[in-house]
Amino acid sequence: GEDVEQSLFLSVREGDSSVINCTYTDSSSTYLYWYKQEPGAGLQLLTYIFSNMDMKQDQRLTVLLNKKDKHLSLRIADTQTGDSAIYFCAEGAINTNAGKSTFGDGTTLTVKP
Amino acid sequence: EAGVAQSPRYKIIEKRQSVAFWCNPISGHATLYWYQQILGQGPKLLIQFQNNGVVDDSQLPKDRFSAERLKGVDSTLKIQPAKLEDSAVYLCASSLDDQGTEAFFGQGTRLTVV
Repeated sequence: GEDVEQSLFLSVREGDSSVINCTYTDSSSTYLYWYKQEPGAGLQLLTYIFSNMDMKQDQRLTVLLNKKDKHLSLRIADTQTGDSAIYFCAEGAINTNAGKSTFGDGTTLTVKP
Repeated sequence: EAGVAQSPRYKIIEKRQSVAFWCNPISGHATLYWYQQILGQGPKLLIQFQNNGVVDDSQLPKDRFSAERLKGVDSTLKIQPAKLEDSAVYLCASSLDDQGTEAFFGQGTRLTVV
């Protein structure tokens, strides 16, 4: 079945770049998502990328997709303390949508001042 | 625009008791999802509704969990009887339809079963 894996923790200093990595197994994945979850809050969609794209940039966020290796990464430039949260990678197959995605277990990003 | 509303925010019950959670999706959103998020894990889909019909409930433990969306708007998720392993955050999400690329999540209900 589908499986999405992420490293559990990442710690960076304020102002540095953060790179959060994710691997997935379902080769039919059409959409790949990054969500942010702050303490006591629901999930907030940050960005998504279609499987026919290699890269997507949105302000401080850069998503890189290596479809051959089934590897997805999220780079946050100039990381701020407000970026501290849990980041979830998720994948969705064709004919499904974001609500029916398979999620990884999340990477806890800690930004130190 | 109001977001997805869930209540209660927190609930503590004893095992074998019953509990119900309520969700009000974003106005006009046809698709509604319930997720279970166990501490330290990502959300796992329990059930998906399209309007008032069930699209996918393959991961719902039907011996104890039930959900309904009678009028195609609000939804309730019930657990009866609860087990210790049901302790989790129950997240409701909605999307405009079943072909969209974004689902909007509520803040969740944190259930503790003691």
